[in-house]
Amino acid sequence: QKEVEQDPGPLSVPEGAIVSLNCTYSNSAFQYFMWYRQYSRKGPELLMYTYSSGNKEDGRFTAQVDKSSKYISLFIRDSQPSDSATYLCAMSAFDTGTASKLTFGTGTRLQVTL
Amino acid sequence: NAGVTQTPKFQVLKTGQSMTLQCAQDMNHNSMYWYRQDPGMGLRLIYYSASEGTTDKGEVPNGYNVSRLNKREFSLRLESAAPSQTSVYFCASSGGASGGWTQETQYFGPGTRLLVL
Repeated sequence: QKEVEQDPGPLSVPEGAIVSLNCTYSNSAFQYFMWYRQYSRKGPELLMYTYSSGNKEDGRFTAQVDKSSKYISLFIRDSQPSDSATYLCAMSAFDTGTASKLTFGTGTRLQVTL
Repeated sequence: NAGVTQTPKFQVLKTGQSMTLQCAQDMNHNSMYWYRQDPGMGLRLIYYSASEGTTDKGEVPNGYNVSRLNKREFSLRLESAAPSQTSVYFCASSGGASGGWTQETQYFGPGTRLLVL
């Protein structure tokens, strides 16, 4: 079983819909949680990050972490065709004094249609 | 700031040929990473360099070597390419061992698409 599980999709929604993207994980030591967006044939771009449990909002995007359930979510409100991309979750167990060691989900492909 | 740059963008090799993928960052980051991305497998860490002068193996290091040339540059070398190394390669960097989000958040380059025939 992978440490981080993510539904690969594709997820197709109409423009304006609320999108929910999710990851589950098994390592209870994970403390830092990130979402990356990757457009086709481009590199991953850091979208949001949260520490431990709770919510974080940035414009149309909300990241949510539930450590008790080992479950993280990314919500996109008022989705736009420009949101069409693959969304990767990533997480790490912070270890002072070393480089970051991120564990990635395999990504969910999102298609927002007109 | 260009961020993280990678060259070449695309390369075709024959089995057994060698090549070096170049990566540079202008964010004054201490740590740099090489990943490969394959369909259904996600991003897998090949090698990383926590700081200038150090390198360590990641999850899938076999068939690769790396060099941390200076603080800005981190190269990945395939000595004898195999079809199994056909993939998209990404370089990333992060702030390094200063703790917190500076250490944990990685910034990626645009990738190199490699085809080994």
